[in-house]
Amino acid sequence: GENVEQHPSTLSVQEGDSAVIKCTYSDSASNYFPWYKQELGKRPQLIIDIRSNVGEKKDQRIAVTLNKTAKHFSLHITETQPEDSAVYFCAASILEGAQKLVFGQGTRLTINP
Amino acid sequence: DVKVTQSSRYLVKRTGEKVFLECVQDMDHENMFWYRQDPGLGLRLIYFSYDVKMKEKGDIPEGYSVSREKKERFSLILESASTNQTSMYLCASSMQGIGVQYFGAGTRLSVL
Repeated sequence: GENVEQHPSTLSVQEGDSAVIKCTYSDSASNYFPWYKQELGKRPQLIIDIRSNVGEKKDQRIAVTLNKTAKHFSLHITETQPEDSAVYFCAASILEGAQKLVFGQGTRLTINP
Repeated sequence: DVKVTQSSRYLVKRTGEKVFLECVQDMDHENMFWYRQDPGLGLRLIYFSYDVKMKEKGDIPEGYSVSREKKERFSLILESASTNQTSMYLCASSMQGIGVQYFGAGTRLSVL
């Protein structure tokens, strides 16, 4: 089955700097890659996703890149702000059938003022 | 807005008790999921359902069962709770063909 590895487990950056979180997946059939943000005490919420027919997707300060050949994808946050502090999870899925997500282990991002 | 509601935010149970965790979604989603969340392990899938009365095992089904008698409700059952089932439990739902999952607020279960 699918296996998703996420690095780093913790990341601390200065406010205004960029943050990058990386994930690798094992199943070449996976074709959907979402990123979820979980603030302290709250539920995970989707922040951005990408499908396998696209190499990059941007939404304001957030971008995701996908390298299908290498089976890895990354989350990029630019001009970080204190409200970006949270745990971020990557996931991989096949968008047919049960559509279950396999999550990475999570990255705790801390933005230092 | 999609609403996924879990019946309890906090539960304390004793070893050996039968525990029911309830999840209700209001968006007519076909798919529903139960995860447990533990520090450093991410979200691990326990069971999921893609239709009423249909269920499939996830990655860590041992010690759990589920029930889906109505489309909007998905229940997680711990037949005989054990201390290693102390965790945060998250329910989610999604529409068929759309990968986005919407999560409930979670139930923090402590088994003493």
